[in-house]
Amino acid sequence: QKEVEQNSGPLSVPEGAIASLNCTYSDRGSQSFFWYRQYSGKSPELIMFIYSNGDKEDGRFTAQLNKASQYVSLLIRDSQPSDSATYLCAVNPPTGNQFYFGTGTSLTVIP
Amino acid sequence: NAGVMQNPRHLVRRRGQEARLRCSPMKGHSHVYWYRQLPEEGLKFMVYLQKENIIDESGMPKERFSAEFPKEGPSILRIQQVVRGDSAAYFCASSFFDRQETQYFGPGTRLLVL
Repeated sequence: QKEVEQNSGPLSVPEGAIASLNCTYSDRGSQSFFWYRQYSGKSPELIMFIYSNGDKEDGRFTAQLNKASQYVSLLIRDSQPSDSATYLCAVNPPTGNQFYFGTGTSLTVIP
Repeated sequence: NAGVMQNPRHLVRRRGQEARLRCSPMKGHSHVYWYRQLPEEGLKFMVYLQKENIIDESGMPKERFSAEFPKEGPSILRIQQVVRGDSAAYFCASSFFDRQETQYFGPGTRLLVL
C-alpha cells in the first residue's frame, strides 16, 4: 500500500467551477498535510498546509482534513485556466521531516 | 531574495559516468531535502540533511548514491556509475529548521543518461 494515494485524473472542470482534489494516506499517525501545485516542467510550489481536522481557507483554496478517515482534500473555487496543473498531496509521517508525496492529480480548467 | 538554487538545470551523462547535482538552500534555511521524480511518477524522498549531518537517508539507494551538506558551500547529491534508470528530475528543497511549512523547492536538475 502506498503511503499517499491520489486519483491521477485527468480532472477537467469548466472555468468558474469548483475543482475538488482528493488524497488518502496510510499512516494514521501523520500530523501535517500539504498541497503543492506543479506546472509541467517546473518545480512544486506550496499552496496550503493543514494540521488540524476541519477546513482551512486561503483565498480561492480550501483544504479539508479528516484524520479519522485519513483523508485530505483541496477545493479550488472559481477555477481559472491558470489553475491547470498537477496537484501533489504531501504528508509528513510521524517521525522525520521528509514528505511522502502522492503521484498527483492533473487538473485542466477549460475556458 | 534568492530562493533555492540548483545547478546544473540540465545534465547529460553517459552510462558509467558520475553525476554531481548541487543545491544552495534559501538564505536562513539550514535543512535540505533531496527528492527524485521519475517520468509520470510522484516525488520520492531520498535524503534529508543538515549542515555536516545526514539526518535521514532512508530513501536513497544504498549503492552509487551519496549526499553531503558541508559547513561551507552547497549540498551535493552524487550519483556514481549512472545507469539509464537514473534519468529523472532531481529536486532539492530547503526549510527553516524543521518547519515543514517553510519547505520550498528549487527548480530541479533534469538528468538524462544516454
